[in-house]
Amino acid sequence: AQSVTQLDSHVSVSEGTPVLLRCNYSSSYSPSLFWYVQHPNKGLQLLLKYTSAATLVKGINGFEAEFKKSETSFHLTKPSAHMSDAAEYFCVVSAGNFNKFYFGSGTKLNVKP
Amino acid sequence: DTAVSQTPKYLVTQMGNDKSIKCEQNLGHDTMYWYKQDSKKFLKIMFSYNNKELIINETVPNRFSPKSPDKAHLNLHINSLELGDSAVYFCASSQVDGGAYLPKNIQYFGAGTRLSVL
Repeated sequence: AQSVTQLDSHVSVSEGTPVLLRCNYSSSYSPSLFWYVQHPNKGLQLLLKYTSAATLVKGINGFEAEFKKSETSFHLTKPSAHMSDAAEYFCVVSAGNFNKFYFGSGTKLNVKP
Repeated sequence: DTAVSQTPKYLVTQMGNDKSIKCEQNLGHDTMYWYKQDSKKFLKIMFSYNNKELIINETVPNRFSPKSPDKAHLNLHINSLELGDSAVYFCASSQVDGGAYLPKNIQYFGAGTRLSVL
């Protein structure tokens, strides 16, 4: 079975400080992992993906994530938060035929001036 | 040129009505999906079609009926709308080449349809 746990429902940081959004997964297969971002009243945009190549994945807007199999984690980081990063972030695991997606419950990132 | 487009963007209707949401993708993908996002932002898959055939059907009331006239379209029809159907519905598409597990495949999402049932 596949599942995703996002450990924090809300994260608040100051502009210019680092961001850490935590994600743990469970999968019966070798998983693919994704982070998507949803800005208010908008659709879902892909930030980055891990598909069994390099364990450190770089995405758009300065975000990156590290796949750690031993910890079953795929945490999202960014060295310096920007006001425009304020949004809802979803960790997703994909496994099995037809690439069924399993979403985490989301982490709302708030960036303070 | 929008890759996955949904219409309408907003839908407000009365309980008991029947409504449809349309989705079209111009990416040439062979698989399309419908997701429901509830008020707590949780996203859950409802249906998936591969080459016009239903391949994923989660526990969804019979009032929801997806229809795929061709690979590029997946419409969602909802009968006898209930208050609990209020949510944001997202369409997505992906290329899965016959169904084998291909880790590199990404799902591309539409902007969502916000359904409010009064």
